[in-house]
Amino acid sequence: DAGVIQSPRHEVTEMGQEVTLRCKPISGHDYLFWYRQTMMRGLELLIYFNNNVPIDDSGMPEDRFSAKMPNASFSTLKIQPSEPRDSAVYFCASTTQGSPLHFGNGTRLTVT
Amino acid sequence: DQQVKQNSPSLSVQEGRISILNCDYTNSMFDYFLWYKKYPAEGPTFLISISSIKDKNEDGRFTVFLNKSAKHLSLHIVPSQPGDSAVYFCAAKDSGTYKYIFGTGTRLKVLA
Repeated sequence: DAGVIQSPRHEVTEMGQEVTLRCKPISGHDYLFWYRQTMMRGLELLIYFNNNVPIDDSGMPEDRFSAKMPNASFSTLKIQPSEPRDSAVYFCASTTQGSPLHFGNGTRLTVT
Repeated sequence: DQQVKQNSPSLSVQEGRISILNCDYTNSMFDYFLWYKKYPAEGPTFLISISSIKDKNEDGRFTVFLNKSAKHLSLHIVPSQPGDSAVYFCAAKDSGTYKYIFGTGTRLKVLA
């Protein structure tokens, strides 16, 4: 299996621009998660989906952040407008019953 | 509020000795706990887990101990090897959800 695939690996953008991060979960996994890694908060859960439906978005920092899962093999995390404090590594992960979380290699976002 | 806490940001250990990484949690509903290992520029990878019906789980050089009354778990690595140098995250969830909550991580350095 190819594992969880994220793109791009690195994203550098200017403050105020829209940023879209992409994720392809492992085939057959029915749960998908978006995490953000920062020094202060570690791995912070932003949102997770089950069968393409958002279950808990209480970790989404503010309205500038949105996430969608139009089908079982694709999800996006969008930040609009982006701010320097959004700079972090964003991870996507997927799982199914009886399996631990499998993470992608992350997208390093830098907002200048 | 951080429901899963790793109070030691870093730890250095000599090769061949024991590494002990600690994790505390506050939510008494948590009943499943995991440890993940993360190398630079990669996503976290699953290491070992434990359910609350046990107080110990062992897998090769890795052992996780759970003290429910103290809301504390620890990961023991014996013997430590230079390849174990990484950031270690503990995570927890309760059986009613798939909401995995992670700590801030501990950076382990094993000195040759």
